[in-house]
Amino acid sequence: RKEVEQDPGPFNVPEGATVAFNCTYSNSASQSFFWYRQDCRKEPKLLMSVYSSGNEDGRFTAQLNRASQYISLLIRDSKLSDSATYLCVGGLTGNTPLVFGKGTRLSVIA
Amino acid sequence: DAGVIQSPRHEVTEMGQEVTLRCKPISGHDYLFWYRQTMMQGLELLVYFNNKAVMDDSGMPKDRFSAKMPNASFSTLKIQPSEPRDSAVYFCASSLAGPEQYFGPGTRLTVT
Repeated sequence: RKEVEQDPGPFNVPEGATVAFNCTYSNSASQSFFWYRQDCRKEPKLLMSVYSSGNEDGRFTAQLNRASQYISLLIRDSKLSDSATYLCVGGLTGNTPLVFGKGTRLSVIA
Repeated sequence: DAGVIQSPRHEVTEMGQEVTLRCKPISGHDYLFWYRQTMMQGLELLVYFNNKAVMDDSGMPKDRFSAKMPNASFSTLKIQPSEPRDSAVYFCASSLAGPEQYFGPGTRLTVT
């Protein structure tokens, strides 16, 4: 079983829609969580960190549920430019290696 | 500011040949990571360094792969001999004090 699992999608949504991705992790000792974004044929880039209290950055909201060991990403008012693969990432502490999920592909259509 | 630099960006080689991938981390970053990404496996960590020392290479097939970091601004990942199953995108990433990693543009390797 992979340490971090995601629905690969694709999620095809119209512009303006709200879309949510979930991700589960198996290592209960994991402390750090992130969402990375990867455009087609590009490198992954950090989208946002995920805090226990939840955090919001513009149209993006990330939440962590430690009891159920899942992380979520909510995108409101989807834009065409949000089309990408979203990677769920977990890590232990500090600079220990991050574990990446395989990603969830999102296509926002006009 | 220059980000993580990788070369070459594309490499096509024949099975059995030696391949060397290069990475220059962001100046001042003391962690360097090598990843391999395929459709089937996703992003897999091969090896990582802290202050030029190998911290964990358990993800790297050691019979054919080797990684070095001779100085703080340069690292190589070598595959010898290369096999078709090594075809993938290889990313180098670096980080400083926190967990946020900055990725290079990747090297797309095709082994025929």
